[in-house]
This record gives sequence, C-alpha cells and structure tokens, in this order.
Amino acid sequence: KNEVEQSPQNLTAQEGEFITINCSYSVGISALHWLQQHPGGGIVSLFMLSSGKKKHGRLIATINIQEKHSSLHITASHPRDSAVYICAVRVAGNQFYFGTGTSLTVIP
Amino acid sequence: KAGVTQTPRYLIKTRGQQVTLSCSPISGHRSVSWYQQTPGQGLQFLFEYFSETQRNKGNFPGRFSGRQFSNSRSEMNVSTLELGDSALYLCASRQAGGAADTQYFGPGTRLTVL
Repeated sequence: KNEVEQSPQNLTAQEGEFITINCSYSVGISALHWLQQHPGGGIVSLFMLSSGKKKHGRLIATINIQEKHSSLHITASHPRDSAVYICAVRVAGNQFYFGTGTSLTVIP
Repeated sequence: KAGVTQTPRYLIKTRGQQVTLSCSPISGHRSVSWYQQTPGQGLQFLFEYFSETQRNKGNFPGRFSGRQFSNSRSEMNVSTLELGDSALYLCASRQAGGAADTQYFGPGTRLTVL
C-alpha cells in the first residue's frame, strides 16, 4: 500500500477549464508539497502546506489535516500547465513519500 | 543566485560498475537531499545531508551512499550497478533543512545501466 495516493493518474482538459487533482495520505505528516515536473525532468516546488489553503496565481492548494487529504486546483487552465503534478508528504525524520503523479494535458 | 546544478546530466554505465553523481546546491543552502525517479516506482527518497552529516536515509540498499562536503556540495555513489538502477537521480537543496523550507530541485542526472 502506498502512503500517498493521487487521483486521477491522467487528466486531459480543454484550455480554460477548472482542474482538480487530489491527494490522500495515510501517515502523519509535518508538511505536504505539490510539485510540478515538466517533460525533461525538471521539478519545481509549487506549494508547501501544513494547514489551510495557499494561492499562487491561478493555482490553489488546500489541505484537510483531519481527513488526510489535499487538493490542487488550477483555474483557467492553459496548455503551458501541461505537466506531471506530484504530491509529496514529509514525515517525522524529514523523510518524504511521493504520489505516483498526475499527468495533465491541456488542449488548446 | 544560480540554481541547483547536477553533473553529469547523462551517464551510461554497465552492470557491476560504480558511479558517482555530483550536486551543487544553491549558495547558502546547507541541506541536500537525493531522490531516485523511475517509471515503475516514481520518486523515492534516498537520503538527506545537512552540514556534512547524513540526517535521514530512505529504504535503499547499502550500495547507495553519499557524502557532503564543507561547501555543501554533495556526491552520491552507487556501487555494483544493476539494471534496475537505471533512473533519473535528482538532488534538491534547502536553506536550513527545516520543515518550513522550500526545496529547490536540480535538473537531474539520467543514469542508464546496460
């Protein structure tokens, strides 16, 4: 059983659509991260959450600690948002567990 | 500031050989973590170094080792390479290594084991 589960695995959207990616985890965490990985491998850290909600441009991330669940929302999606989005949780001892990623394709 | 750099970017080795990968963190960052990414297993945490000490280690065999130098640069070594070690190896640096610090990833080293 994976400590971190993401859904959906693959997502195709039309430009302008509102997108939601979900992440559930089964361990106690000190923080949850959302990462973006573009083709070629480069990873960018989008958000780090330990509670509540954060917003950066068209991206919004929320976390519910009691339900062990986080969502990443993209408003007004654009083809440049096409990437793999990875949920990662940090546990005691600074270890990380990763979800398998959600591959997003936004079609013009 | 320059970002996290990794060398080499691509590497081809044969089974049984050993390999050393290098990571230079962002200037002023003292924590360096290493990750392995494969199509089958996704991203997995290898280890973290802070101020030249290994602070945490993931679930990998002893063939995987690392070290950090006084200038915070880090190296990762894999001995007796196996086909399954083919992967993208990523390093990431953080300023002080605390829970509130953002990680900055390098571009990765793509290792192919033949």
